[in-house]
Amino acid sequence: GNSVTQMEGPVTLSEEAFLTINCTYTATGYPSLFWYVQYPGEGLQLLLKATKADDKGSNKGFEATYRKETTSFHLEKGSVQVSDSAVYFCALVNFNKFYFGSGTKLNVKP
Amino acid sequence: GAVVSQHPSRVICKSGTSVKIECRSLDFQATTMFWYRQFPKQSLMLMATSNEGSKATYEQGVEKDKFLINHASLTLSTLTVTSAHPEDSSFYICSARDGRGQYNEQFFGPGTRLTVL
Repeated sequence: GNSVTQMEGPVTLSEEAFLTINCTYTATGYPSLFWYVQYPGEGLQLLLKATKADDKGSNKGFEATYRKETTSFHLEKGSVQVSDSAVYFCALVNFNKFYFGSGTKLNVKP
Repeated sequence: GAVVSQHPSRVICKSGTSVKIECRSLDFQATTMFWYRQFPKQSLMLMATSNEGSKATYEQGVEKDKFLINHASLTLSTLTVTSAHPEDSSFYICSARDGRGQYNEQFFGPGTRLTVL
């Protein structure tokens, strides 16, 4: 089947720290992989995506590389800001259907 | 990017009443729209998929008579929670797929917070 597993939060970091949020998946076929961000009280916003193995998605300083050999799509950022505080969801799309991870809350302290 | 709106953003209703939530694609035609439910501190759960002009396809465990979905046009889908009860309180999010773009390009609405008293 299709599923996404991501690290449990919350993750608390100081401003300018390095961020890694782990995400692994199981899927049949060749899924596309996504990271979404949800700010308090809002819907999901696409952060970045990768559609095939070895692709790297990047946006706003965040990066994630589609690793087929380890079935992973870990999210990284070199220097987080307070404004990055949000919930981050890893997701895959397979046969036009989305499968979301449980979300990881990130708290960045000044 | 493409914009999807939802209305209302928040609604509070009494137990036993029905609530309608609208999902609109503002600058593109959405051949398919999706409805999700998000419980506090949890992920999104797909409730149903609706295609314009046809009946919605519901996920296992979702009551189709309780959650009525109508996709009347290429820019509008509605979710009606019938005879709402406190356990229906949740954050409902829709998404829409742009028929012109990549098949897996979905755009999410901002969500509707439903509170049933």
